[in-house]
Amino acid sequence: DGGITQSPKYLFRKEGQNVTLSCEQNLNHDAMYWYRQDPGQGLRLIYYSQIVNDFQKGDIAEGYSVSREKKESFPLTVTSAQKNPTAFYLCATERDRNSNQPQHFGDGTRLSIL
Amino acid sequence: SQQGEEDPQALSIQEGENATMNCSYKTSINNLQWYRQNSGRGLVHLILIRSNEREKHSGRLRVTLDTSKKSSSLLITASRAADTASYFCATAGGGNKLTFGTGTQLKVEL
Repeated sequence: DGGITQSPKYLFRKEGQNVTLSCEQNLNHDAMYWYRQDPGQGLRLIYYSQIVNDFQKGDIAEGYSVSREKKESFPLTVTSAQKNPTAFYLCATERDRNSNQPQHFGDGTRLSIL
Repeated sequence: SQQGEEDPQALSIQEGENATMNCSYKTSINNLQWYRQNSGRGLVHLILIRSNEREKHSGRLRVTLDTSKKSSSLLITASRAADTASYFCATAGGGNKLTFGTGTQLKVEL
């Protein structure tokens, strides 16, 4: 989706290291989401944010942290506490909070352990 | 938690044939959405069907919803090689959260 930019496309993490995945959107959407996708699996929700300076834990928040200081940006930090971080990470946006409208996705960041 | 379960997990058909994928879910929903994912890419929204709708069409796509059976189906007619992808259903039950199924991998062969 051209309106959502995730970077980097590939990321490698060393043991004990924190890494941050970037998600930027120019769609002027209120809600933003982070999902984790493991091979052959569906998406699992890590964190979501309905408005600036507010965010909520999803189903698998342990070992992750987020911030929402600007409407356009919702970075995800994978901390050293996340013992199995290897996965494909997807960021998504939704126009309005509580709207249950379609979500728009970035092209993902693939994180691997060195 | 994974609410939706797609069936089959994998489907291989010839170009020109129809492809049908099914999704079952467990709790009440506001709407059900279908997404497509090409290998190594993000998800792309295909179609949304509300809980009070029974059928919806978009181009070669036809989605049905049976809330009494808590199930939905996605039919792709006259499939093309470019339809090769994974297809996911996602349920919206209120609030902001979508719950995704495990997906069906579709391969359309020439």
